[in-house]
Amino acid sequence: DTAVSQTPKYLVTQMGNDKSIKCEQNLGHDTMYWYKQDSKKFLKIMFSYNNKELIINETVPNRFSPKSPDKAHLNLHINSLELGDSAVYFCASSLTDSHGYTFGSGTRLTVV
Amino acid sequence: KQEVTQIPAALSVPEGENLVLNCSFTDSAIYNLQWFRQDPGKGLTSLLLIQSSQREQTSGRLNASLDKSSGRSTLYIAASQPGDSATYLCAVKDGGATNKLIFGTGTLLAVQP
Repeated sequence: DTAVSQTPKYLVTQMGNDKSIKCEQNLGHDTMYWYKQDSKKFLKIMFSYNNKELIINETVPNRFSPKSPDKAHLNLHINSLELGDSAVYFCASSLTDSHGYTFGSGTRLTVV
Repeated sequence: KQEVTQIPAALSVPEGENLVLNCSFTDSAIYNLQWFRQDPGKGLTSLLLIQSSQREQTSGRLNASLDKSSGRSTLYIAASQPGDSATYLCAVKDGGATNKLIFGTGTLLAVQP
């Protein structure tokens, strides 16, 4: 009965590969997000989708492409992975302006 | 542009002490403020959510206050325990069109037994 679930939990891949991270929420929230946590543990928003519509794109390289097939899912596809993409990626969801966010447990991506 | 700062960056206290973590933000036009804890290698656990119209929220040994006009929030932890050791993150939900959640830099807390 996990609220926000991400897969995989760990991902190790070589430079140049293409990979995807999946996220699903069962909270009935209408907005989903992707955040990146860098090596200094700072969390920064990447994308936000509201009811399958892209709301926020924080100047993320276009190698990153989010896809929201429905409001319960927000997947992140990354093309041509680079060493600097190594980080922990968190998915989150929220309901309305006044509600808080619920985060997934994160996906640790290591590019070698 | 909203910026969120947390002081101190790291804190070590003996078990049983009461402590205060600080969070400041530059733009008072926020929807709400949320405190999270993050254990090493884990995700974020929401601790308290304060709406912009509220002054404080309490949950167990935790009390969070919000002074929107001065751009400050504090997280008070009473009678600290070793299990409280974690990184504490403050985040504000921006009042702009995008309603982004903007995080602070975090406070790494170590409670010594």
